[in-house]
Amino acid sequence: QKEVEQNSGPLSVPEGAIASLNCTYSDRGSQSFFWYRQYSGKSPELIMSIYSNGDKEDGRFTAQLNKASQYVSLLIRDSQPSDSATYLCAVTRSGYSTLTFGKGTMLLVSP
Amino acid sequence: GAVVSQHPSWVICKSGTSVKIECRSLDFQATTMFWYRQFPKQSLMLMATSNEGSKATYEQGVEKDKFLINHASLTLSTLTVTSAHPEDSSFYICSARVYWANQETQYFGPGTRLLVL
Repeated sequence: QKEVEQNSGPLSVPEGAIASLNCTYSDRGSQSFFWYRQYSGKSPELIMSIYSNGDKEDGRFTAQLNKASQYVSLLIRDSQPSDSATYLCAVTRSGYSTLTFGKGTMLLVSP
Repeated sequence: GAVVSQHPSWVICKSGTSVKIECRSLDFQATTMFWYRQFPKQSLMLMATSNEGSKATYEQGVEKDKFLINHASLTLSTLTVTSAHPEDSSFYICSARVYWANQETQYFGPGTRLLVL
C-alpha cells in the first residue's frame, strides 16, 4: 500500500521564523512530488512541485527531495501569519496514476 | 499556474434531487480530471478519475450510479450527484492533470460546497 506520512502538527512558529515541514513516502517508484497549501474551507493550492533530487527554490519556499531516503520537505522562510494553513504532501508514480496525499501538517504562524 | 474553475461554488438542494457540478480547465486541455470529496476536518478523498472520451474510473466504495461523471470534452468534466441525500453534503473538489516538459502537475478547482436538506 502506497503511503505518505506527515506529522499532523500543529507546527507553531513565530512570525519571521523558518517553518520546516516534512514528508516521507513508501513507494520507491514515485516520480513527482508536490506540496499543496489548504486554507480552512478552501481547496488545495499548489505551492511547489519537485521531480529530481536536490533543492528547488521559489520565493520564500524551498522544496527538498531525497529519493534514496524517500523524503521530501518544504521550508518556508520568513513565515507570515498568512502562511497559517494545512500543508499537504502528495506524490505520484507516473502519468497514469493518481496522487497519494499525506494527511497534512497544520502550520500556525503567530504574530 | 493553470486555472481550473468549478460551478456552482455553493448549492443547496432538497433530498432526492440531482445536482450537477461542472469542472473546467480554463487555459489548457486536460485529458484527465479527478473528483475528490472532503468532509469537515478530514482528508481529501479521491472519488473517481475522469478521462476524456471514456468511462470514469471509480475508487472502491464510491457508487458509480450515484455519482455520474461525464468528461465530454478536453476542458469540461461534470459530476452529477443523483438522488442526493443529506449524507452527500460535502465539499466536492475537482482537479486537472497537466503535462509540461514531460512533467505532470495537478491543479485544483475552488470546490463546490453541497448542502442537501
